[in-house]
Parts: sequence; C-alpha cells; structure tokens
Amino acid sequence: DTGVSQDPRHKITKRGQNVTFRCDPISEHNRLYWYRQTLGQGPEFLTYFQNEAQLEKSRLLSDRFSAERPKGSFSTLEIQRTEQGDSAMYLCASSLKSARTTEAFFGQGTRLTVV
Amino acid sequence: KQEVTQIPAALSVPEGENLVLNCSFTDSAIYNLQWFRQDPGKGLTSLLLIQSSQREQTSGRLNASLDKSSGRSTLYIAASQPGDSATYLCAVITYSGAGSYQLTFGKGTKLSVIP
Repeated sequence: DTGVSQDPRHKITKRGQNVTFRCDPISEHNRLYWYRQTLGQGPEFLTYFQNEAQLEKSRLLSDRFSAERPKGSFSTLEIQRTEQGDSAMYLCASSLKSARTTEAFFGQGTRLTVV
Repeated sequence: KQEVTQIPAALSVPEGENLVLNCSFTDSAIYNLQWFRQDPGKGLTSLLLIQSSQREQTSGRLNASLDKSSGRSTLYIAASQPGDSATYLCAVITYSGAGSYQLTFGKGTKLSVIP
C-alpha cells in the first residue's frame, strides 16, 4: 500500500490552456474525493466518487471543470480554459466504504499555477 | 451549511510545552471528526479519527476529544517538539445523501514549536 498518489506534483500553465491531473487512490478504496486549497485556507470540497459514479459536485465545480473515474480506479480532474483564479493546490483523497470508519487519506496534491 | 472554526489561527510555544488546539462546528449532526497535519506545500496527513459515538481518541502524544452536542473538539499535544511544527486542520464528516460523505475543513492552526 503506497498511499494516495497524485501526478503531477506541480503544474505551471498559461491562462487559457487546459490541464489534467491524475489521482491514484489506495487500492480497494471505493470512495474518492477532490478538494481545492488556496493559501491560508482549508481544503474546499469539489467532487466525490463512489466507485465509478460521481455522486456529488460542489458549486465550485464550474462548467470548465470535469472529473472522471473510469472503472472505479484512478481519477482525473480536467480544467479547461484555465484562469488565474484556478491557481491552487488540488488534493485527492480516498477512503474505504465501511460501516466502522470514514477515515480519509490524502495525496501530496498537485500545485497549479496559472500565469 | 456546516461551518468549522479553528482557534487560534497561529500558535508559537517553546519546546516541551503541552498545548491545546480548538475546533468548533455549527451543525452537530456529524458522522465523524478527523484531525490532520499539513506541512508547507504538502498534502494532509491523517492524525486521528473520532467517531461520533466516541468521546476521545489517543495516538502517542496526541489526544483528541469530541463533544458533539456542543459542537467542539480539541487536539491536545503533549511535550511538544520542533518536529510538531505544522498546520493542524480539523474536518467534520457529514452524510450529504446518496451515499456521499463530505469533509468540511476549518482554516487550520499554524503551530510553531521553538527549540
């Protein structure tokens, strides 16, 4: 078990470009979350998957954002036509659907800088 | 809407001191509560998970308590060390329907332990 893995760790892009991030959850974890964190703030919820189904999306997830989790394993988060306000740390977390615990484990994050 | 507040925002203590970090939440209908540690530029490391039926949870020098009815949790760190310097985040876990559990975070307490 290598923990939650995110790729890339850092991404610098020009405004207007599209970017895609990948998250590999802990194996057998069927719940997967995406969060966004800006400097000095706590992480804010973006979206949630249970297996391959996207069950919840935040209002923060505008039409330029799309997330997928094909086959219920890894997940991708794509941002189209990036804006400077998209600059943030994007965090992925996974947990195991269990009656006893909801403990979430986070990856190291992808730091996005839009210039 | 659930809101999580952490006090103080920053704390500086000499090495060896015991300290308490506070977390409060507005809606007591939580499922669980989780404390995390975040080092600068890094992801979140899970420290403790307290289930809503529990009063406290301990791990090494860390002890977390939960008073669900009053909407409060505390994280107690004994015999602080310089390596404890980090931002500590509190997250409440609520069931938002359709099988979705959502973590709502505070802004964190930035702890500095001075050698």
